[in-house]
Amino acid sequence: QQQVKQSPQSLIVQKGGISIINCAYENTAFDYFPWYQQFPGKGPALLIAIRPDVSEKKEGRFTISFNKSAKQFSLHIMDSQPGDSATYFCAASVSNSGGSNYKLTFGKGTLLTVNP
Amino acid sequence: DSGVTQTPKHLITATGQRVTLRCSPRSGDLSVYWYQQSLDQGLQFLIQYYNGEERAKGNILERFSAQQFPDLHSELNLSSLELGDSALYFCASSVGGLREQYFGPGTRLTVT
Repeated sequence: QQQVKQSPQSLIVQKGGISIINCAYENTAFDYFPWYQQFPGKGPALLIAIRPDVSEKKEGRFTISFNKSAKQFSLHIMDSQPGDSATYFCAASVSNSGGSNYKLTFGKGTLLTVNP
Repeated sequence: DSGVTQTPKHLITATGQRVTLRCSPRSGDLSVYWYQQSLDQGLQFLIQYYNGEERAKGNILERFSAQQFPDLHSELNLSSLELGDSALYFCASSVGGLREQYFGPGTRLTVT
């Protein structure tokens, strides 16, 4: 059962354009939603994260939009640059009573290509 | 650079063999998570340790095991290797009470 569904699988955007990647989740207990960026041969790098009590979070050119009722969240990359070309993963985790286990459930990833 | 180190970077071995992957978390991080990344399954959580104790298990095979040592580094042991175990193995660390996880560069395992 895929708990976090990510789309599209791949995305091609022109330099300066807006890249939009969407994720939908099923488990309403999820309460932390990070996005990771992965370049070939590297590990995933934490980009930005949001909690469900906030509808939007912006850090530089990266914005997360969150819709709790629809169980959806998305990553917007404004003014996309060729250096943003990478694979992007959305993820989700559940808090627990122990407060120390926050395993991540990942989407399948989106390969973003930004053409110059 | 996340501050998480993993060794070796690449590992090529034969079916039936046993290997050990090593992870050193960021300074001060008590929690270590292991993930497997493959083309068909994506990134999957395997197991988590917190300050030396196992805290959570995910899709980890019985042939796989892990431990976290007093100096907080962790090792993932993979035995009776099969072709399907070929994948990237990442560890991530976090402070423990915080949600942010920082990933290492990974170990690419190839089973021939």
